[in-house]
Amino acid sequence: EVVLLESGGDLIQPGGSLRLSCEASGFTFARFAMSWVRQAPGKGLEWVSGINPGGEGTYYADSVEGRFTISRDNSENKVYLQMTSLRVDDSAMYYCAPGGILWGQGTLVTVSS
Amino acid sequence: DIVMTQTPLSSPVTLGQPASMSCRSSQSLVHSDGNTYLSWLHQRPGQSPRLLIFEISKRFSGVPDRFTGSGAGTDFTLKISRVEAEDVGIYYCIQGTQFPYTFGQGTNLEIK
Repeated sequence: EVVLLESGGDLIQPGGSLRLSCEASGFTFARFAMSWVRQAPGKGLEWVSGINPGGEGTYYADSVEGRFTISRDNSENKVYLQMTSLRVDDSAMYYCAPGGILWGQGTLVTVSS
Repeated sequence: DIVMTQTPLSSPVTLGQPASMSCRSSQSLVHSDGNTYLSWLHQRPGQSPRLLIFEISKRFSGVPDRFTGSGAGTDFTLKISRVEAEDVGIYYCIQGTQFPYTFGQGTNLEIK
């Protein structure tokens, strides 16, 4: 059974930083590209960032380029999203999604003063 | 970036009747490895999305066989043979052929 445990979400002030983590199990983690996807309240799904299976390539949505950094640790089956210069419109539920298609419960990020 | 366009955006359906929805991509989703990474997700209100169909037509584990995916290239369809009450929610298509992955806007399936 695939299990994805996201953590690290919090209430943070604009301009602040957060690090999200996702621990995966139930599949061969090192073989999958991993993505972070977010969903603002009442809105659709927005792909945020992705990383190749070996970590050699990282990709970002224009809306987060230069502010967010994705990384992974294949020895621990974990993927991370370092978020800096957070804005109010970054507020959303954040999901880690292998291949963009498998989902956990998400972790909530709220950016507000 | 590949643009994914879903139609209709809303689909009122009678229980027990079929439903169909479409997803069109702005360019071919055939990957260099020969696979087509087009998937369908279902999200019930207040829940995380869940995978229904991957690689156009492969049903994920536990997905009822009333869900069928089809298509090729740039045009894809999800059909539900007989809608049940638990099928309400929003259906998204997603392309995973190239970064950035992109989603359709979603089709909201509701019961008449």
